[in-house]
Amino acid sequence: DIQLTQSPSFLSASVGDRVTISCRASQGISTHLAWYQQKPGKAPTLLIYGASILQNGVPSRFSGSGSGTEFTLRISSLQPEDFATYSCQQLNSYPPTFGQGTKLEIK
Amino acid sequence: QVQLVQSGAEVKKPGASVKVSCKASGYTFTSYALNWVRQAPGQRLEWMGWVNAANGNTKYSQKFQGRVTLSRDTSATTAYMELSSLTSEDTAVYYCARVMYSSSPVPGSLHWGQGTLVTVSS
Repeated sequence: DIQLTQSPSFLSASVGDRVTISCRASQGISTHLAWYQQKPGKAPTLLIYGASILQNGVPSRFSGSGSGTEFTLRISSLQPEDFATYSCQQLNSYPPTFGQGTKLEIK
Repeated sequence: QVQLVQSGAEVKKPGASVKVSCKASGYTFTSYALNWVRQAPGQRLEWMGWVNAANGNTKYSQKFQGRVTLSRDTSATTAYMELSSLTSEDTAVYYCARVMYSSSPVPGSLHWGQGTLVTVSS
């Protein structure tokens, strides 16, 4: 199985900050990576797929990049509603594994 | 709008089975597969498998092969996940999610149900 490792696991930031979350795959997955946002007690929501394609309705302050084994999710200017847990998922091969999540907290 | 409504929380004893339902609406049910994903407390999301709503074909994670059965009822636009031989390690929130087809070999999950908490305890 492909392992996904996110860094950091916890991130403290303020409204208006720019933040970056990384996701590293244990083997190359081209650009077959998705990012999800999850708030406490809620189901995940899809933010980005194909490593960099913004899902319809997702604010443009979110962006994704990367290919192969290194991927990045960026939020350009944090808004109060962005404080949540972010998880990456590889869609290259079965089983489609997830990263351990990055919890973004208010500083 | 697309909606997936799951059945309510369950408490089961070790060794028992659980069956979770996922009622779909707002789209053509047979046009999309449904993923099942679970999340144990404090753990990462874990894909269990998918069911093709059109023909009932399934694909399972090897981890759950032999213990999980995914099915669907097209007349009821409902998908089901049954997990047997439960242990405490199966305590988790179970989600159904309508797939999103893209250029990737494996479909991601676009629309999610609200989740069903399954607690396994003696």
